[in-house]
Parts: sequence; structure tokens; C-alpha cells
Amino acid sequence: GAVVSQHPSWVICKSGTSVKIECRSLDFQATTMFWYRQFPKQSLMLMATSNEGSKATYEQGVEKDKFLINHASLTLSTLTVTSAHPEDSSFYICSANPLAAIYEQYFGPGTRLTVT
Amino acid sequence: ILNVEQSPQSLHVQEGDSTNFTCSFPSSNFYALHWYRWETAKSPEALFVMTLNGDEKKKGRISATLNTKEGYSYLYIKGSQPEDSATYLCASLGGGADGLTFGKGTHLIIQP
Repeated sequence: GAVVSQHPSWVICKSGTSVKIECRSLDFQATTMFWYRQFPKQSLMLMATSNEGSKATYEQGVEKDKFLINHASLTLSTLTVTSAHPEDSSFYICSANPLAAIYEQYFGPGTRLTVT
Repeated sequence: ILNVEQSPQSLHVQEGDSTNFTCSFPSSNFYALHWYRWETAKSPEALFVMTLNGDEKKKGRISATLNTKEGYSYLYIKGSQPEDSATYLCASLGGGADGLTFGKGTHLIIQP
């Protein structure tokens, strides 16, 4: 139980293009989904928190117009990196918080984004 | 302590030996402490979520303790096996935030 999938697992795109990453909770409904990223030799850093049907809350320093988050249902959240640049190359990973389990977060396997 | 800190950064342990590592976290506005086990190309696997001071949790050969007053947690692995090789992440939930604050992890390698 508590499986989270993420697609794609890796993507290479050209500078200036947009990339969409999907995060799905497969066997549970999630009130909240989170997006994190990890740069080399750094810890996972929270980018934004999204609740189904409402606007995402972004952490300080994360551009909301660059990282568009859509949380269309209780099992799906998407992160779109718009007009990607090489400095956006990173490892992006999502997590989902199940209904009625406020302290738990289950993670997807992550997406490696490389912008050339 | 403002950040979550883990030590050591990496650890080589002989198969069959027991080991432990540390997580330090902000003790103010604390809600919960998470431990995850993360193997390359897989999802981080949730090991423990602890909320109460003095909490001790166990899962097979792995156990964890929590001290919320001084802001630290220990993870113990008894009788290490090669399949225990992974990065162990500690994350704190608190300070009014919904998301987790992670340490950089302890990279554990079990040598046969």
C-alpha cells in the first residue's frame, strides 16, 4: 500500500521548452501533495505544497510562474517547469499525504531533469 | 539548530555488525520526525514516523529513538546485512510548515 508513481523518471529537454512531471498516488487519496528538488550533494528541499482544488503554496525563492503546479484530483498533481534553463536541471520528487494520516508522506521515485 | 543535520555523512560497516547514526533537528515547534530508507532509482521507503518524546520504534532489525527536548533521533541497525545498504534520510516536520525539512542523509554501505 501507499504507492506513489512519478512520470517521467528522467527527461532531457532543450533550453526554453517546458516539461511536465506527473505525480500520482496509486492506492490512496491524498489531501496534500508536495514537490521537492535536490541538487547534487544537497538535501531534498521543499518547493511547494499543493492541495486539491486550490492554489499551491510556494517556498521562498521558488518562482510560482516558472514552476506551475496543478492539483486536479485527490490522486494527481503535476509540476510544469516552464521555459526551462540549464540551472533548472535537478532531481524533482513528489510526495503525498494520505487522508486522515496527517504526519505521513509517501514519495514517488523522482524525475531527473536535464536541460541542455 | 535551524536545519536538520545527519551524521555521519557516510558509513562502511562489516556484514553482521550493528551500527547507528544520528539526526539533529530543531526542537521548537516540533510535530514529527521521519526516517526514510532510500535506494538508488527507487522511492524513499518510509521507516518510522515519531512524534512523542521518548518514542522508540522497531521494524525488524531497525529501530529508532526520539528525544524532542534536545532535538535528536538515533537510528539503529542490528546485525547489518548487504540489503541494508542505502541512504538513510531523516526529516523533521514542524515550525508551522506542512512539508518536511530533510537532512543530507547517511550513506550506509555494508561490506560482505
